[in-house]
Amino acid sequence: KAGVTQTPRYLIKTRGQQVTLSCSPISGHRSVSWYQQTPGQGLQFLFEYFSETQRNKGNFPGRFSGRQFSNSRSEMNVSTLELGDSALYLCASSLEGLAGDETQYFGPGTRLLVL
Amino acid sequence: AQSVSQHNHHVILSEAASLELGCNYSYGGTVNLFWYVQYPGQHLQLLLKYFSGDPLVKGIKGFEAEFIKSKFSFNLRKPSVQWSDTAEYFCAVNSNYQLIWGAGTKLIIKP
Repeated sequence: KAGVTQTPRYLIKTRGQQVTLSCSPISGHRSVSWYQQTPGQGLQFLFEYFSETQRNKGNFPGRFSGRQFSNSRSEMNVSTLELGDSALYLCASSLEGLAGDETQYFGPGTRLLVL
Repeated sequence: AQSVSQHNHHVILSEAASLELGCNYSYGGTVNLFWYVQYPGQHLQLLLKYFSGDPLVKGIKGFEAEFIKSKFSFNLRKPSVQWSDTAEYFCAVNSNYQLIWGAGTKLIIKP
């Protein structure tokens, strides 16, 4: 079974631009979560999508948004990029989300550099 | 809000030494606990998890962790480390259907 895939793997943008990252979950997984990983703040939860609906959201500004398609693929968008948005963005999938004994499986991440 | 503390940010050990990495979470109730590992250049992988039952959990590659409810702890252990265990280790707690993460411990094993 193929793992979680994320595209692109690396991205360079300038301040003020917007960016869209893509995540394809493991086949059959309906929950996709997004995390931001930075050296200063560590791993922080952004949001979770399940069956095309945002089910849970972390403490990030509205510039961070996402969506999920009917095939469970998910995208996250960051508008008006700031230098502090430079990070590794991780996507994780699971069958039903973090309820009960679910385990999340992570993709390799997209490394975003904002100049 | 739930928080997770990992006591050591950097640990350096020689091969064959024993390992214990600390993890504490801030409040109780029913918790699901995880240890993930990130090897250099690789993505996060699950080492082990605790949901219920036996508080001593065994994971991959000879790792184990003990859940001690009274101490809000979930420490990771390995009796004899190898050079290939060099990685960053993260403890996480499932709180309100999201993973709350510790800051991570960078483990370096000297050959």
